[in-house]
Amino acid sequence: KQEVTQIPAALSVPEGENLVLNCSFTDSAIYNLQWFRQDPGKGLTSLLLIQSSQREQTSGRLNASLDKSSGRSTLYIAASQPGDSATYLCAVRNAGNNRKLIWGLGTSLAVNP
Amino acid sequence: ETGVTQTPRHLVMGMTNKKSLKCEQHLGHNAMYWYKQSAKKPLELMFVYSLEERVENNSVPSRFSPECPNSSHLFLHLHTLQPEDSALYLCASSQDPAYNEQFFGPGTRLTVL
Repeated sequence: KQEVTQIPAALSVPEGENLVLNCSFTDSAIYNLQWFRQDPGKGLTSLLLIQSSQREQTSGRLNASLDKSSGRSTLYIAASQPGDSATYLCAVRNAGNNRKLIWGLGTSLAVNP
Repeated sequence: ETGVTQTPRHLVMGMTNKKSLKCEQHLGHNAMYWYKQSAKKPLELMFVYSLEERVENNSVPSRFSPECPNSSHLFLHLHTLQPEDSALYLCASSQDPAYNEQFFGPGTRLTVL
C-alpha cells in the first residue's frame, strides 16, 4: 500500500534562504508525482508535476526532483520570500489500473521578513 | 470566470439541516472530484465523476450525496451530518480521471454544530 510522508511537518526560515522540502513514498511504481501549494483555508494550486520518466521539473524559483528508485522527491525553493509562506503538499499517482492520488500531510512553511 | 469555483465558501449547519455544495469548472474538463480535507489527515478522495457518470465512490457515508448534471457542474448534497464531518471540502477537475493534472477550487469550509 502506497504511503507518502513529508518531512519536516513545519519549517520557519528567514527571507532569502534557499530551502528543501522532502517527500518520500513507499512504492516506487508510480505514474507521476505532483507538488501543490495551499494557502490557509484555501484550495490547492498545482506547482509542478513530474512524470515517472523524468528526473526534475523547474518553474521559476521552484525545482522539483524525483528519484523513483529511492522513493524520494524534493522541492527546492530558491531565495525564499514571505509570499512563499503556505503549506506544500506532495501527491503520488500510482502506476497500474488504479491511479489514485496518494497524499502526504504537507509541510507548513513560514518565511519571515 | 475561470478555473474551478465553489460556493458557498463557508457553511455552518446543524445536524438536522440539508444543504448543498456547488462546484463549477470552466476548463472544459471531463472529470470532476470531491475531496475532504480534515486537520492532520491526508486529503481523502470521496467521489469521482467522468462525463457525468460516477466512476468512484470511496466508501463515503450515504449522508453525502453527489450529483453531476453535466460535465461543468458538480454538487454535494448534505443531510443529517455529524460534527466529525466538519472539514474543508475541495472540488477538483481534470481532463480525464486517470492521467492528468487536477485543478482545485478554493474549497468550502463546513462546520457542523
